[in-house]
Amino acid sequence: AQKVTQAQTEISVVEKEDVTLDCVYETRDTTYYLFWYKQPPSGELVFLIRRNSFDEQNEISGRYSWNFQKSTSSFNFTITASQVVDSAVYFCALFESGAGSYQLTFGKGTKLSVIP
Amino acid sequence: EPEVTQTPSHQVTQMGQEVILRCVPISNHLYFYWYRQILGQKVEFLVSFYNNEISEKSEIFDDQFSVERPDGSNFTLKIRSTKLEDSAMYFCASRAGQGGLGYEQYFGPGTRLTVT
Repeated sequence: AQKVTQAQTEISVVEKEDVTLDCVYETRDTTYYLFWYKQPPSGELVFLIRRNSFDEQNEISGRYSWNFQKSTSSFNFTITASQVVDSAVYFCALFESGAGSYQLTFGKGTKLSVIP
Repeated sequence: EPEVTQTPSHQVTQMGQEVILRCVPISNHLYFYWYRQILGQKVEFLVSFYNNEISEKSEIFDDQFSVERPDGSNFTLKIRSTKLEDSAMYFCASRAGQGGLGYEQYFGPGTRLTVT
């Protein structure tokens, strides 16, 4: 079973539209961290946000917002008023600190294309 | 701002050759990682390294792979006899330590390995 599921493989939106990228995770740990990374066409991984399992507050940073819901094991990412520069692959990742495994487990990514 | 660096950015090698990918983690970090991303796929964990030894490795990390921290700054990944399927982007990452911000992994820009 996938620990991190990003069901949307590819999404296309027209510039200025809002878009939500879904992430569902699976863990038995009570202490864990969730991350979102952006991978532009240049290939590097750009850190966007980290959220720990004890902090369910939603967060907004400019046009980006994140909705963390433990009840549904989801950590969704919304881009408001999308721009062409948002075109990239977005990865959700899970870090489980309690099981002695200190690796990041990534989802398969969602490729976002923003059309001008 | 401190960052993880990787060299070279692109390496082309012939099948059966040995390659060494180099990384310089952030200087006060204690935990080091290698991840791999085959083109168009998700980022996969290879190995983690702490206190001068491997702390965890994935099934991908077989006897053809090795890691080393030869001095106080470099962290290397060696592939002994490359195969075509080793062609991928290899990311190095490091993190500071335990708890909170210490779990945040900082990624290098990656080395694209092409095996011909």
